[in-house]
Amino acid sequence: GESVGLHLPTLSVQEGDNSIINCAYSNSASDYFIWYKQESGKGPQFIIDIRSNMDKRQGQRVTVLLNKTVKHLSLQIAATQPGDSAVYFCAENRAAGNKLTFGGGTRVLVKP
Amino acid sequence: DARVTQTPRHKVTEMGQEVTMRCQPILGHNTVFWYRQTMMQGLELLAYFRNRAPLDDSGMPKDRFSAEMPDATLATLKIQPSEPRDSAVYFCASGLGQGDSPLHFGNGTRLTVT
Repeated sequence: GESVGLHLPTLSVQEGDNSIINCAYSNSASDYFIWYKQESGKGPQFIIDIRSNMDKRQGQRVTVLLNKTVKHLSLQIAATQPGDSAVYFCAENRAAGNKLTFGGGTRVLVKP
Repeated sequence: DARVTQTPRHKVTEMGQEVTMRCQPILGHNTVFWYRQTMMQGLELLAYFRNRAPLDDSGMPKDRFSAEMPDATLATLKIQPSEPRDSAVYFCASGLGQGDSPLHFGNGTRLTVT
């Protein structure tokens, strides 16, 4: 499958533990943020999104936190499972109309 | 589940040959994007269409790359002539064209130019 970067930061997590993946963004005008998960051989898959008028949003086993003051976004995965092993990307919408800019990605490895 | 479909999944070609990649966006989506993913550069935006009209292709090498939408159900990305440095995975994504809705990606075309 695709190798999305030999130099990706990697987070090793024990199965069952919680994971926290961080992302810094640069454009204070960005108003919409998304987390994607990319598994080997597949395209990025939507996980969860958040608008800039919110600071927290929860999904199934995932929570996204947005700190606009320091331009920081995080993804928390509860009770990490082997199927969560993937590369995770944050993306920001810097202009009207869906045009997303992606961060460099974080590889998550779940140890059984 | 509605999904973005890309063909071919894999393409191996020799330098100098023409390559055409195809994408069927999700029905009802009015924006289509082409991204390229490499180990060194990550995900780069190549081109962007809204209602089949090209809005931004500033990320695309103009001399060899071209992107079109012949109709609402088909987007194409062509490389002519191809070069080894074009080897990458090319993703198509579609969306509703709203600033607060996600893009949905296909599974990509892995291109290898020898």
